[in-house]
Amino acid sequence: GEDVEQSLFLSVREGDSSVINCTYTDSSSTYLYWYKQEPGAGLQLLTYIFSNMDMKQDQRLTVLLNKKDKHLSLRIADTQTGDSAIYFCADFNTDKLIFGTGTRLQVFP
Amino acid sequence: GAVVSQHPSRVICKSGTSVKIECRSLDFQATTMFWYRQFPKQSLMLMATSNEGSKATYEQGVEKDKFLINHASLTLSTLTVTSAHPEDSSFYICSASTAFPGGYTFGSGTRLTVV
Repeated sequence: GEDVEQSLFLSVREGDSSVINCTYTDSSSTYLYWYKQEPGAGLQLLTYIFSNMDMKQDQRLTVLLNKKDKHLSLRIADTQTGDSAIYFCADFNTDKLIFGTGTRLQVFP
Repeated sequence: GAVVSQHPSRVICKSGTSVKIECRSLDFQATTMFWYRQFPKQSLMLMATSNEGSKATYEQGVEKDKFLINHASLTLSTLTVTSAHPEDSSFYICSASTAFPGGYTFGSGTRLTVV
C-alpha cells in the first residue's frame, strides 16, 4: 500500500533554517500536506501543495515538491523555539490522508 | 475558521468498561469524519472513515465491533471503545473534511488510559 516516510529527528539552532524531508510512493497523489503537532495536542495544518506545483511559499514556510522523485520538503526559515514540535507530511490518497512517520524538530538556543 | 471539538481530552477507565469519545464540528457540517489512533512517538494510523447516516468504513485490521463509530448527525461523530483493555490505551484523534483541498481540521485528541 501507500507509504510515506520521514526522518525521525532534526535538531537546529534558533535562527537557522530547518528542512524536513518526506518521501512517498503514491504516483497518483493530488495534494500533499504538512501538519504540526505539539505535545499532547491535535494536528495543525501548516500548508499544502497541489501535485502540479513545484514550490509554494507561505511566510516562513517553503514547500518544495519533486514529483518525479516523489520527494517533498518543508523549509522553515528563521526557526524559533516555538517551532519545536513533530511535523507530519501527509498524502491525499483517493479519499483519505496517509501520514508520514513524523519528524521531531528540536530547536536549541 | 473551521473548528473540530473533541471530548474528553483525557479519560482513564477500567478494563472491561466502554468509553465514548465525541467529535463535533462547531461551525460547519461534516459529512465525513475520520478517526485516527496514534501510538507514542509514532504516526497517525487511520482507523475508520465515518459517513453521516451510513456505516463507517474501517481500515484493514481494525475491529469494527471493538471500535464502534456512529455519525448520526452532520456535526457529531462518536467513537466507542468497547470492553477496553490496556492495549487500547492510546491517543485518539478525529478530523473532519471541510472545504477541500486544505480543509482537514483535526480535533485536539483524546488520551485514553485503560487500567
